[in-house]
Amino acid sequence: DAKTTQPTSMDCAEGRAANLPCNHSTISGNEYVYWYRQIHSQGPQYIIHGLKNNETNEMASLIITEDRKSSTLILPHATLRDTAVYYCIVRSNAGNMLTFGGGTRLMVKP
Amino acid sequence: EAGVAQSPRYKIIEKRQSVAFWCNPISGHATLYWYQQILGQGPKLLIQFQNNGVVDDSQLPKDRFSAERLKGVDSTLKIQPAKLEDSAVYLCASSPRRVAIDTQYFGPGTRLTVL
Repeated sequence: DAKTTQPTSMDCAEGRAANLPCNHSTISGNEYVYWYRQIHSQGPQYIIHGLKNNETNEMASLIITEDRKSSTLILPHATLRDTAVYYCIVRSNAGNMLTFGGGTRLMVKP
Repeated sequence: EAGVAQSPRYKIIEKRQSVAFWCNPISGHATLYWYQQILGQGPKLLIQFQNNGVVDDSQLPKDRFSAERLKGVDSTLKIQPAKLEDSAVYLCASSPRRVAIDTQYFGPGTRLTVL
């Protein structure tokens, strides 16, 4: 699976959009981009995933660049409950493994 | 829909003791995973089951860790004997099938402290 690079930490003001970047320059054509988050003392929670096109669900939007070498997770109106570690994962369809990196620690501040 | 259940939530043992963790996946989910998460790091896959068969245990320290999934439903992960470096959160996850697009659903984890 391709390796991902994320900033270690980010801050965001409550009510503003949180934009979390992820670089995955070695991604191959059949690999998906997945985002999970982990709130303190809980297990990771699925947020969204995509292959080529931008995706949106009730939790977030995923913007994937045309060359697929990077992506951005957008939380449109961050709340204090969105404070968590966000993991960007590139996932091969050859198996079902999730390989977690260090993630981005997002702190939403009042 | 009930989520992935794990027990106990917390466990404290001394080194060289044994410990076992239990996981009940979401009903009907064929694939079950055990992850180890050391403080400050992302989860690391230990073992993956498809029904009651092992698919991948390449990162399981087999000299001390064992896991089973009897009847393709519940699973137990055992450590015997425990070492200080086994202190971590042990996460169980399940997914409907063993394909890349399937979402994995995680339980709350068991926090193990080895003294």
